Parts: sequence; C-alpha cells; structure tokens
Amino acid sequence: GESVGLHLPTLSVQEGDNSIINCAYSNSASDYFIWYKQESGKGPQFIIDIRSNMDKRQGQRVTVLLNKTVKHLSLQIAATQPGDSAVYFCAEGTGLQGAQKLVFGQGTRLTINP
Amino acid sequence: GAVVSQHPSRVICKSGTSVKIECRSLDFQATTMFWYRQFPKQSLMLMATSNEGSKATYEQGVEKDKFLINHASLTLSTLTVTSAHPEDSSFYICSAVTGGQYGYTFGSGTRLTVV
Repeated sequence: GESVGLHLPTLSVQEGDNSIINCAYSNSASDYFIWYKQESGKGPQFIIDIRSNMDKRQGQRVTVLLNKTVKHLSLQIAATQPGDSAVYFCAEGTGLQGAQKLVFGQGTRLTINP
Repeated sequence: GAVVSQHPSRVICKSGTSVKIECRSLDFQATTMFWYRQFPKQSLMLMATSNEGSKATYEQGVEKDKFLINHASLTLSTLTVTSAHPEDSSFYICSAVTGGQYGYTFGSGTRLTVV
C-alpha cells in the first residue's frame, strides 16, 4: 500500500547547528505535505507545509524542500535550539487541502546536544 | 488560531469497561475530524474519519464495533472504546479539518491505560 517513510529514525545535532530531517513518500498522487513536531505526551504541532506545485518553502528557521522526481521531502531547521528536541513527522495528503486524510511517516527523534 | 480540545488527557479503566474520549473544535466548525492511535515510539495510525451527521469511515483493520465514533455536531466528535482490553492501551489523538493556513489541527491526545 501507499506509505510515507523516513530515512533516519534518530538524529543528534549540536546546539546552533542546522538539522536536516528526511522523508520518502511513495504515493505519486499526493499533492500536499506537512511537517509536524511532537513533544512527549502531546499532539502533533504544525511546523510547515508545502504543495506539490512548489519545491521549496521557508518559514521561521525552517525550510521544507520537495523533490517530486525522487519522492523526497526534507525539513531543515536552522540554528537548532534545545526547544527543537522532539519527534518530527512528515505527512502526506491527497486532494484539496483539508479534504483528505493524512498518512504519517515513521518519525525522526531529534536530540540537541549542548 | 484554531484550537482542538481533547478530553480527558489521561484515563485508566478496568478491562471490559468502556471509555469515551471527546474531541471539540473550540472556535471553528469541523465537518470532518480524524481519530488516530499512537503506540509508544511509533507513528500516528489513522483509525477513522468522522463526518458530521453521517457514519464514520474506518480504516482497514479497525473494528467499528469496538471503536464507536459519533460526530453529532459541528464541534464535537467522540470516540468510545468499548469492552477495553490491555492491548487497547495507547495514545489516542483527534484532529479537525480547519482549512486555511494549518489545514488540520490536532488535539493534545488522550493516554488510555487499560488495567
């Protein structure tokens, strides 16, 4: 079946460095992608999203890159801070924004070293 | 921004009993809500799609008679775990379709422990 997966289950970075979290997806019909941050015991928190008609989108300290050719999505976090420690999930949706269900990837735990 | 409130945040119940979890959209109307289950150190797995005024759509492998979903109003969806067993212990999360900038807003989750 269709799935969304991640290359790295864990990632440790030094405080202040940039982090890159990767995600592979297999549903070529997906046209909407979202990155979520989840802290322990809490629900997912929206970080940034991107539509399939774009290949890059920037937010505050975060950038999402989409490569449709190889079905790859990445999240870049600039100047990583201790508060960025969490599990990060990519999710993909099909159809109009908000109209379709999301499929989540496995998740990557990001740990920030002081 | 859009807020989804989920209650309770934690619940412990005895095996064989039923537990109801509520998901409310506080400042918007949600015709569609989703229910997810998350086991420790795993991803969110979609259980069902809840549509206001109609029957929920369950994902393959999810027992509709065990996980009862009711979406009776535009601001409330409930998930009832019936005849709970220890293997139903999990983190249950709802989300609502908001559209706009965030598309989907998630509740804070409910930790269910069945003893």
